[in-house]
Amino acid sequence: AQSVTQLDSQVPVFEEAPVELRCNYSSSVSVYLFWYVQYPNQGLQLLLKYLSGSTLVKGINGFEAEFNKSQTSFHLRKPSVHISDTAEYFCAVSDSPQKLVFGQGTRLTINP
Amino acid sequence: EAQVTQNPRYLITVTGKKLTVTCSQNMNHEYMSWYRQDPGLGLRQIYYSMNVEVTDKGDVPEGYKVSRKEKRNFPLILESPSPNQTSLYFCASSLYPPGANEKLFFGSGTQLSVL
Repeated sequence: AQSVTQLDSQVPVFEEAPVELRCNYSSSVSVYLFWYVQYPNQGLQLLLKYLSGSTLVKGINGFEAEFNKSQTSFHLRKPSVHISDTAEYFCAVSDSPQKLVFGQGTRLTINP
Repeated sequence: EAQVTQNPRYLITVTGKKLTVTCSQNMNHEYMSWYRQDPGLGLRQIYYSMNVEVTDKGDVPEGYKVSRKEKRNFPLILESPSPNQTSLYFCASSLYPPGANEKLFFGSGTQLSVL
């Protein structure tokens, strides 16, 4: 079974600074990878997904993620964050066609 | 508007008192699922349903029941709630199973406290 590790439970950054949220998964077999975002008091929304092809995936709100098969990683990046990016971010990997396995979440806090 | 609707948003109950959290989607999705979210543990799947009358256990099904009598509804039932079921619950749906490249649509969540 797949497992997902998000290495940082909290990431504080200053506004307009770059940010990287780290995600590693357990298996190197072909998988689908996802990042979801949860804004305060809301459900999760899909930010981006990797299926195949280019290893750099672009998502909504200026986020992008890079798939690295050899390191089994799928880190999320944004070159310049805004206050509105304050949220919890979840990495997820397909464990089977029927389910996704989610990581523990990373709380991104943007300081003015 | 396409959405997943959960009710109630907040619920406080006492140990042993049966409760139901409702979930409804208006997108004609085949797949529906329940998750619980706990600090430091992320989202863990409780039950999922591939279609009407087809349900299966997720990673943490103990103490929960579900049913899928209609395509749009997927209620979560706690027959005898206990304090360790205090958590934030999310219902989600997708057109096809999410592990096959499908986007999951989430409800707004139900914060349950069991005293």
